[in-house]
Formats: sequence, structure tokens, C-alpha cells
Amino acid sequence: GAGVSQSPRYKVTKRGQDVALRCDPISGHVSLYWYRQALGQGPEFLTYFNYEAQQDKSGLPNDRFSAERPEGSISTLTIQRTEQRDSAMYRCASRMVGTDTQYFGPGTRLTVL
Amino acid sequence: AQRVTQPEKLLSVFKGAPVELKCNYSYSGSPELFWYVQYSRQRLQLLLRHISRESIKGFTADLNKGETSFHLKKPFAQEEDSAMYYCALSGEYGNKLVFGAGTILRVKS
Repeated sequence: GAGVSQSPRYKVTKRGQDVALRCDPISGHVSLYWYRQALGQGPEFLTYFNYEAQQDKSGLPNDRFSAERPEGSISTLTIQRTEQRDSAMYRCASRMVGTDTQYFGPGTRLTVL
Repeated sequence: AQRVTQPEKLLSVFKGAPVELKCNYSYSGSPELFWYVQYSRQRLQLLLRHISRESIKGFTADLNKGETSFHLKKPFAQEEDSAMYYCALSGEYGNKLVFGAGTILRVKS
């Protein structure tokens, strides 16, 4: 089937606005991960889910960031009151149970003006 | 703390030359190590993992626990190998990945 999809692919917003980034994992994949990648750096873990349960949110930088996966499939990463330092590539990945390979989506490039 | 270090931001080699992309890690337990690759305008994808001990596209990587390294090697570089390569560590099976900063490999003709 189709790979991991993310929308929007590009998002430009003004400082102070809220944004919602969406991830649609590969069908049947239990685990879903969010990463953030600043320019010139590797992806950095934010949070992950098994089914609808958020297992680890230790990477979320502050309480402006939140994520949900209410039905165990599509996930939304929300950033409230965006700041310029939130500008980055946001990557989503999913994984099938019993394997260790994470499959990545194309990413969402967020620019906060 | 878990940490992955890729000391080279850019590695430029000629076609047919050997390639070694360096990766060192810091982790107190038994890590799972991976190499991910991103070709131009494509998404990040798994290249190889240490537990499978396989060779993908001519690349191999051996986990050296004494030196805490997982260097990626290929005996003869090809132009299509030009890409960004990330070394990554997982401390627990299926858990979050900790990535290095990445190395750009440029293979010149």
C-alpha cells in the first residue's frame, strides 16, 4: 500500500498562530513517531504512540507542543502560539509490531515568520 | 545519555574509491544501530541495521562495541551513492531513534 503521508508538505505561519500537522501512517502500523529536524542537524525525537496511547512525550520541548492519535491511526501534532524557533522539518514515522524498521513520511516544512 | 556522533559533515570521494562514513555512539546498554539514507528529493529510508549483518547496495557496517563505533563502508563508491547518511541508535527495541547530525556523501565522476 501507500507509504506514510504527511500534510501539509509546507506550512508558513505567523508568529503566535497555532498550527496542526497531520500524519497518516502505513495501514496496520501500530507505532507512530514524531521527530523534528532543524537545519544541519539530524532528526530529534518528540513523541511516540502505540495504537492510541502516547507512550513517551519526553522529547516535546514545552507545553505548546502536543500530539494525539485518537483512533490509533492518523496523528496530529499541534503547536500553539508558534515562535520563530519552531521553524523546522517535522517528520513522522510508523512501525509494524515485531519489527524495528521505522518508515518515514516526506515531512512537513514549517516556517514561522 | 544516548548520543550519536558523525564527525564529518561532508565526505567527497571519486567514483570507484572506497568510502567510510564514521559513526560513534554513547549508550550504557546494548544498542540497536542503524544507517538511514536520504537521496535528493526523497524521504528518509533505512539502509541497514546491525542486527541483520547484511550488505545493502554494497554497503556494510560492523558494530564495534569496544570502540563504540558503527562505521559505514563501501569498497567502490558509485555516483548514485551521493546522498545524506544518518547513523541512528535505539536503546530499546522499537523505541525512539537517536540520530547523528548526518554526513553528506558526494561521489564525483
